[in-house]
Amino acid sequence: GENVEQHPSTLSVQEGDSAVIKCTYSDSASNYFPWYKQELGKGPQLIIDIRSNVGEKKDQRIAVTLNKTAKHFSLHITETQPEDSAVYFCAASRSGGSYIPTFGRGTSLIVHP
Amino acid sequence: DGGITQSPKYLFRKEGQNVTLSCEQNLNHDAMYWYRQDPGQGLRLIYYSQIVNDFQKGDIAEGYSVSREKKESFPLTVTSAQKNPTAFYLCASAGQGYTGELFFGEGSRLTVL
Repeated sequence: GENVEQHPSTLSVQEGDSAVIKCTYSDSASNYFPWYKQELGKGPQLIIDIRSNVGEKKDQRIAVTLNKTAKHFSLHITETQPEDSAVYFCAASRSGGSYIPTFGRGTSLIVHP
Repeated sequence: DGGITQSPKYLFRKEGQNVTLSCEQNLNHDAMYWYRQDPGQGLRLIYYSQIVNDFQKGDIAEGYSVSREKKESFPLTVTSAQKNPTAFYLCASAGQGYTGELFFGEGSRLTVL
């Protein structure tokens, strides 16, 4: 089955700095890679996703890059703000089949004002 | 508003008792999922259901049971056989023609006294 590794487990930055979270996956058939943000005491919410036919996707201050050859994808947050502090999860899945995504273990991002 | 509702948000249980966590969605989604979240463990799949009256075990199904009698509802019972039930439980759903995105509820925190 799919295995997703996520690093780092904790990331501490100063407000205004950039933050990068990296994930690797094992199943070359995976073709959908979402990122979820989980605020304290709440459920995760999708913030950005990328499919395997695209190398990069941006949405304001967040971007995701995908390297299919190396089987890794990354989340980039620029100009971080205190409200970006949360736990971020990456996931990998394939369309078709049972649609069960495999999640990374999460990264706790702390943005210091 | 459409969404997923989990209840109760907090639940306390004595050892040896079964408890049932409720999950209701009005998104008209076919697939529903239960995840368990522990610190540093990420999201681990307990059970999932892709259609009414059918469900499948996930990675950590032992000590849990589910039912899917209605499309909108996917309750999770934590039985006394679950050795370490204290955790944060998340319910999620996904629509037909699965785009990949999971929609999560706000979670239920179960504490065993």
